[in-house]
Amino acid sequence: QQQVKQSPQSLIVQKGGISIINCAYENTAFDYFPWYQQFPGKGPALLIAIRPDVSEKKEGRFTISFNKSAKQFSLHIMDSQPGDSATYFCAASYGGSQGNLIFGKGTKLSVKP
Amino acid sequence: NAGVMQNPRHLVRRRGQEARLRCSPMKGHSHVYWYRQLPEEGLKFMVYLQKENIIDESGMPKERFSAEFPKEGPSILRIQQVVRGDSAAYFCASSLRAADPSTDTQYFGPGTRLTVL
Repeated sequence: QQQVKQSPQSLIVQKGGISIINCAYENTAFDYFPWYQQFPGKGPALLIAIRPDVSEKKEGRFTISFNKSAKQFSLHIMDSQPGDSATYFCAASYGGSQGNLIFGKGTKLSVKP
Repeated sequence: NAGVMQNPRHLVRRRGQEARLRCSPMKGHSHVYWYRQLPEEGLKFMVYLQKENIIDESGMPKERFSAEFPKEGPSILRIQQVVRGDSAAYFCASSLRAADPSTDTQYFGPGTRLTVL
């Protein structure tokens, strides 16, 4: 029940394409769903986050879609660029942004020029 | 405005030695979280501390691991008698713990990569 399942494990997208990463959870008590971006040798950096009272949140080229009934959320990266090549982690917590984060296993995104 | 700082960035220890990992939170942040990342895995929560208090240690192994966040100085994650399975990247994050969670965020440091020989 504490797991967050993330797919795919790896993703290759052409420059300008749309990258889509999916996550699913079981615990309905989760109330905060962030996405983190991690470059090799660096710590994760918060990209965008959503709460369950909203079905979609957009910031620039990054959009989170949230389906509460299906207990799924996804990250869409529009107009993907080579600089977006990184590992992306979804996470969930209860206790809002201050709760202990439960992470998915990550998706390694490679954007080809 | 410096971000979360961790040192050392790389640490090599032999089996049975002690490892000490340090984390200095962002300025003004008094809440620290420690996470462990095994190769090809996501981060796993270990412990959450405020100044001088352990709030949640539900993710900490029962033996050999301890954490503190003293009134002065950095937070320290201590691993005694390290074993090969302790090899991982250890990240700390800090937050302001604002009254409004919608304005709060966990900011991560660059991590300490521990290798146990």
